[in-house]
Parts: sequence; structure tokens; C-alpha cells
Amino acid sequence: LAKTTQPISMDSYEGQEVNITCSHNNIATNDYITWYQQFPSQGPRFIIQGYKTKVTNEVASLFIPADRKSSTLSLPRVSLSDTAVYYCLVGWGDDKIIFGKGTRLHILP
Amino acid sequence: DVKVTQSSRYLVKRTGEKVFLECVQDMDHENMFWYRQDPGLGLRLIYFSYDVKMKEKGDIPEGYSVSREKKERFSLILESASTNQTSMYLCASSLGLKATNEKLFFGSGTQLSVL
Repeated sequence: LAKTTQPISMDSYEGQEVNITCSHNNIATNDYITWYQQFPSQGPRFIIQGYKTKVTNEVASLFIPADRKSSTLSLPRVSLSDTAVYYCLVGWGDDKIIFGKGTRLHILP
Repeated sequence: DVKVTQSSRYLVKRTGEKVFLECVQDMDHENMFWYRQDPGLGLRLIYFSYDVKMKEKGDIPEGYSVSREKKERFSLILESASTNQTSMYLCASSLGLKATNEKLFFGSGTQLSVL
């Protein structure tokens, strides 16, 4: 499993776009990049998964450059309810998922 | 929507007690997982199971065992609870055999306090 590095915490304001970047220098050719979101007192929730370029769904966008050594989760027009911990994971074909410490995102009014 | 249900939201036990944490999923998923989450340490994998009666150790299996007698149910057992097992325990399931290829669906967690 490739190791990932992401900021420990971030602050932003309601209505802004938030970008959380994850570094994964040792990503393997077959690896996908997956992001999970965890609200306080709940289990993590799958947000988005991608392999290259850009993926968008109703919750977020995921930007992956050509070298795939990093990725950026983009949350458009955040609200207070987006305050959560965001985990970046890299892998494919693994039996288990290892979660790091994630990025604690705090949205301010 | 997939539902992963953990039997207790909060649990208080005494040192030395045998503790059972139950998890049930309703979507016929192959894989089930038990994690514990502690402040500053993130989620750590205790055990996982890819089939009935099959189990694999995660990163921190010491002091725990698991049971999967039916596909939908995965139990975590603390044979003799200790204070360092006070934690939030999270159960998860996934459809396919390879966890990183699939969405993991988590329960709401059980906050266990061992006194």
C-alpha cells in the first residue's frame, strides 16, 4: 500500500471552495485514489475514487495530475456541515485498507 | 442504501470481563472489518473476514478475536478487557473481496469504556 501524506488540519469559511491535497509519491501503476469523509461520532463515508485526470460526483471533484504523485479533493461552496476529517487512500487489489490520520477540515461561519 | 448496524452505541465494562461487539450488514457483502479509532492515531485495523468462518489478522489483533458464523454478522470479542482497549470500535463491510477496489460502508461505532 502506498503511503500518503496530507495536511493535518485546514480551516475555511462557508461558501468557499476547499482543496485538500494528498501526496502519494510511491503510487503503483494499478493503484486508485480514494477519499473518505468522517463526521464526528460516525464512521467514515466513501466520497470519491479516481485513477487519473478528473472525476466529479454530486459531493466533490478529484483532480489527479499526469504523474499521479498527488491528488486534490475539491469541495465546492462548503457549508458548516462539511466540517469533518477527510482521508486519502491509495491502493488496488489489497485485502485491507489502512487509514492514515486524515485532514481535519473546520468550516467557519 | 447499505446498512451496517453495530449493536451498542456506548458500552461500559470492567477490566477482565469478556466483551462481545456485534455487527450486522444487510447487503450480502463478502468482506467485513473491525477497526478501532483513537485520538491522534486514526483508524487501525484489528481483524477482517472475507468469507464465513474465515478471518485474517489486521495490524493490531492482540487481545482480540473474531467470529463470523453467518455472512451478515461479524463479532469482535475481547477475551479479557483491559483499560487500554477503551476506544471507539468501527465495523465496516464491502461488496468485493479486495477492500481497496470497493466502497467501505461503516457502522456508527461503539464507544467502549473499560474501567
